[in-house]
Amino acid sequence: NAGVTQTPKFQVLKTGQSMTLQCAQDMNHNSMYWYRQDPGMGLRLIYYSASEGTTDKGEVPNGYNVSRLNKREFSLRLESAAPSQTSVYFCASSEAIGGVAGDTQYFGPGTRLTVL
Amino acid sequence: AQSVTQLGSHVSVSEGALVLLRCNYSSSVPPYLFWYVQYPNQGLQLLLKYTSAATLVKGINGFEAEFKKSETSFHLTKPSAHMSDAAEYFCAVSDLGGGADGLTFGKGTHLIIQP
Repeated sequence: NAGVTQTPKFQVLKTGQSMTLQCAQDMNHNSMYWYRQDPGMGLRLIYYSASEGTTDKGEVPNGYNVSRLNKREFSLRLESAAPSQTSVYFCASSEAIGGVAGDTQYFGPGTRLTVL
Repeated sequence: AQSVTQLGSHVSVSEGALVLLRCNYSSSVPPYLFWYVQYPNQGLQLLLKYTSAATLVKGINGFEAEFKKSETSFHLTKPSAHMSDAAEYFCAVSDLGGGADGLTFGKGTHLIIQP
C-alpha cells in the first residue's frame, strides 16, 4: 500500500516551458488536492477534486490547470512556467466525497520544482 | 471564514525539555483541528486531530494537544523532547464553512532540538 505517490521528485524548468506533475493514490479515496509550499507561507491550496470528474479552484489557481483522470489519479499542469512557480508541490487525498470537514488528508512526498 | 495562527516560526528546546507549539484558530462554527509534522525533504504526516470527541487529544510519538474553545487554541505539547522531534509542524483547521477544500494551514513552526 503505497499511499499517495508523486512524480517526478525534482524538476528544473526554464521560463515558458510546460510540464505536468503526476499524483496517484491507492487508498480508494474520493477527494484529491494540490498544494504548494513556500518558505514562511505554509501550504496553500491550488486546486481540488471533490470526486471523480469534478475539479474546483483553491486559493492560488492562477497559472495552473488540473485533470482528475480517474479516481486514482489527479495531475497538475503548468502551461507556461514562471519563476514565481518555484515551489514544493504536494498532492493529498481524503476519503470522503466533497472533502467533508474533519476528513483527514494524506500527503504525498512532494515535487520540488525550480523555474529558471 | 477560517484561519490559523502559529506563534513563533522557530522554537528551540533542549533535549528532554517540554515542547510547546502554539496554535490559535478563527472559525465561525465548531472546528476540526489538526497537527501535521513534516520531516526534512518529506511530505506531511498526521500527528493528531480534534473532532469534538474529547478536548485532550493524544497523537503519535508522544505528542498531545488540548482544545480550548474559550481561548480558541489548540496547542501541541510533548513532555520530553527527543532529537528525532526536530521537524516543521503545521496546525490546520477545517470546518463546515470551509467548503470542499477542507483544510486551512498555519505558516508552520520549525522545532529545533538542542543536545
